[in-house]
Amino acid sequence: QQQVKQSPQSLIVQKGGIPIINCAYENTAFDYFPWYQQFPGKGPALLIAIRPDVSEKKEGRFTISFNKSAKQFSLHIMDSQPGDSATYFCAASKGGGNKLTFGTGTQLKVEL
Amino acid sequence: NAGVTQTPKFQVLKTGQSMTLQCAQDMNHNSMYWYRQDPGMGLRLIYYSASEGTTDKGEVPNGYNVSRLNKREFSLRLESAAPSQTSVYFCASTLDWNSPLHFGNGTRLTVT
Repeated sequence: QQQVKQSPQSLIVQKGGIPIINCAYENTAFDYFPWYQQFPGKGPALLIAIRPDVSEKKEGRFTISFNKSAKQFSLHIMDSQPGDSATYFCAASKGGGNKLTFGTGTQLKVEL
Repeated sequence: NAGVTQTPKFQVLKTGQSMTLQCAQDMNHNSMYWYRQDPGMGLRLIYYSASEGTTDKGEVPNGYNVSRLNKREFSLRLESAAPSQTSVYFCASTLDWNSPLHFGNGTRLTVT
């Protein structure tokens, strides 16, 4: 039972492009939605997170858009760079805590 | 500052063998977690420890046991390894329920 569905599985964009990764959730009790970035051979690291009281959050070149009625949220990376090439995971939890349910991951490659 | 340290980095076991994965954090965090990462499945929570002296099951606890040895250390034990336990195992810690997870760099386990 996949409670957080993530797409696409992989994504290739040109430098400067805006990759968009989408996630959909089923459990309406989820109230904390983080995105994690993982480089090969490393553990995931928190990138940005949102709670359902706002529809958008920006941190640097990274933006989360949140649609509570559609139960969807997405990550946008502005002016993408080759250094952004990594695997990105969305996640969700109840009670705002860290007992996270993760999506299946998106492997992003940013080409020169 | 080491953060979250996992040992070993790699391990190969035969079916039926046992082993313990070690995790230690030096950030004075209260909560610790064990996740497994499998291709196409994201990260799934095995066990967690909200505070020293407590442990709880996550999404996929079968075949595993944990010990919160002290505030710094949280170990994961496989009593009788099975090929289905071939995975990358990540330990994570967090200061409190609302703080970001900090992950180690993982243990890659192969069970033949």
